[in-house]
Amino acid sequence: QQPVQSPQAVILREGEDAVINCSSSKALYSVHWYRQKHGEAPIFLMILLKGGEQKGHDKISASFNEKKQQSSLYLTASQLSYSGTYFCGSHNTDKLIFGTGTRLQVFP
Amino acid sequence: EAQVTQNPRYLITVTGKKLTVTCSQNMNHEYMSWYRQDPGLGLRQIYYSMNVEVTDKGDVPEGYKVSRKEKRNFPLILESPSPNQTSLYFCASSSELGGGAHGYTFGSGTRLTVV
Repeated sequence: QQPVQSPQAVILREGEDAVINCSSSKALYSVHWYRQKHGEAPIFLMILLKGGEQKGHDKISASFNEKKQQSSLYLTASQLSYSGTYFCGSHNTDKLIFGTGTRLQVFP
Repeated sequence: EAQVTQNPRYLITVTGKKLTVTCSQNMNHEYMSWYRQDPGLGLRQIYYSMNVEVTDKGDVPEGYKVSRKEKRNFPLILESPSPNQTSLYFCASSSELGGGAHGYTFGSGTRLTVV
């Protein structure tokens, strides 16, 4: 089963914050986050390997709650370049299964 | 430059005409995978390979074949394409099964239209 992401879409003004959630019905060994610009390949943002882990670079960070089988991506003080579709990927056994995607649009 | 190369970028074909989409990576990655992307459905895995001569089905393997005769190449074969295989296809590779510290590297995509 695909992880479920929420919200499906977000519209922001530059400088605003956003949170994207990813929820899985199965146990997660790790969680990936990717961003995809329209018509381009997904680009790897970060991976979280342990429950309770938090990571980030620049103004994008993520957390992983292993018990709740959830992960959240935090975008702080959004920039125009943050626009795109964000996917979480849940890894269990031998597959990486991507979430349903969240479309983020940042306007000036 | 470390990359995954897919060809062609765009392809229009007719129903039933066999085609191959090539994928090659220069990072010595063991793990390679094919995904298709359709509006509202996200990325769905077609086939994956954990090493040379080792392949397995993903979530939507019907109508597709793959082979892994060399570590760097992982072609996707559509023996008899049908219109419901019209989609955007991505090849991806990784050093580890779970993606490791650097995650999956994706190719630029192949937009396939079957008429």
